[in-house]
Amino acid sequence: SQKIEQNSEALNIQEGKTATLTCNYTNYSPAYLQWYRQDPGRGPVFLLLIRENEKEKRKERLKVTFDTTLKQSLFHITASQPADSATYLCALQYSSASKIIFGSGTRLSIRP
Amino acid sequence: DTGVSQDPRHKITKRGQNVTFRCDPISEHNRLYWYRQTLGQGPEFLTYFQNEAQLEKSRLLSDRFSAERPKGSFSTLEIQRTEQGDSAMYLCASSPPGTASSYEQYFGPGTRLTVT
Repeated sequence: SQKIEQNSEALNIQEGKTATLTCNYTNYSPAYLQWYRQDPGRGPVFLLLIRENEKEKRKERLKVTFDTTLKQSLFHITASQPADSATYLCALQYSSASKIIFGSGTRLSIRP
Repeated sequence: DTGVSQDPRHKITKRGQNVTFRCDPISEHNRLYWYRQTLGQGPEFLTYFQNEAQLEKSRLLSDRFSAERPKGSFSTLEIQRTEQGDSAMYLCASSPPGTASSYEQYFGPGTRLTVT
């Protein structure tokens, strides 16, 4: 079965630096790879989606890369702020209408 | 607020009791998903509807779990004879039909179930 690995340890970053989160998966590549943000006690919030034929996607201070050879996605937050502190979830989707398979998430803390 | 809503937000029940949760998706969203999330883990897929049809169901969903979406709008998730292992956050998500943005899912706030 498909396995998704995200940084198991929490990530602590100084404000203003770039945070980089890793998502590795096994088996075959998904058609779509998504990143979500989740705050404590709340549902996940969609951030970015990247397709298997795309190498990079940007949105404001966020950047996602997708390497199907390495079976890896990197999620970057530039100019990080304390408000970026949350758990970030990587998720794979194999077709447009199928279920999403989530990783266990990486907890990110940005210290002032 | 026009987001996904879930009711109740919290439920405490005794082992062996039945519970039912409700999800109201964003209007015009034809796809509806149920997930379960435990502490420190990502959401686990339970089941998925397109309109009123239940198209996929996880092996995690034992015979004690059932979900419905009778008119293709709101959905209910029922757990019969609850067990302590059912304690978790139950999340509902919806997705719009057939556009380029239809792949992202919009999540509700979840229902936290505690079985004592």
